[in-house]
Amino acid sequence: EAQVTQNPRYLITVTGKKLTVTCSQNMNHEYMSWYRQDPGLGLRQIYYSMNVEVTDKGDVPEGYKVSRKEKRNFPLILESPSPNQTSLYFCASMQWRSQTEAFFGQGTRLTVV
Amino acid sequence: RKEVEQDPGPFNVPEGATVAFNCTYSNSASQSFFWYRQDCRKEPKLLMSVYSSGNEDGRFTAQLNRASQYISLLIRDSKLSDSATYLCVVSPTRGIFFGTGTRLTVIP
Repeated sequence: EAQVTQNPRYLITVTGKKLTVTCSQNMNHEYMSWYRQDPGLGLRQIYYSMNVEVTDKGDVPEGYKVSRKEKRNFPLILESPSPNQTSLYFCASMQWRSQTEAFFGQGTRLTVV
Repeated sequence: RKEVEQDPGPFNVPEGATVAFNCTYSNSASQSFFWYRQDCRKEPKLLMSVYSSGNEDGRFTAQLNRASQYISLLIRDSKLSDSATYLCVVSPTRGIFFGTGTRLTVIP
């Protein structure tokens, strides 16, 4: 089954404690991206990747890092989380060349206290 | 300027009504356009792609106006199950961008 898998689904952590949210897709998609969703602000792009070892900043990259060492994985790293990073996070992947449907993970609800 | 601008609503309509959403985009080089549906903080799911000539899927009609840089979604004969947030999605050269979403509530 074609899918994007995010883990964990829910996470409560403390300020400053490094964390990683994993994202994996099994569709051999070139394009992967991370979004955060906050009330009234919609989905905002954090980082995206067009292919292995190619990553670029989106609209709200501050406080986040990503890596794309393999095509299927695109982890989101918060080196020193702060309360303003409390949000709902989505990972997405897409077959970039054909520009067809983007598939989303189920989301990670992160709370930083 | 945002890549994609969308009226957040909310739109509250009675069952059976026709409702339309518009969305404007800023990058004239954008190549692909979509409407996604999102239910209650779940992941967005593709509702339909938007083609230059316009396209229809049952009660849903999507249109693209490249000259004015907007896309639209028309829902006819609204059902209670149509209640959701509708996101317009634009794909220019550096990723895919979402509007803030329009919240639709269909009232019995």
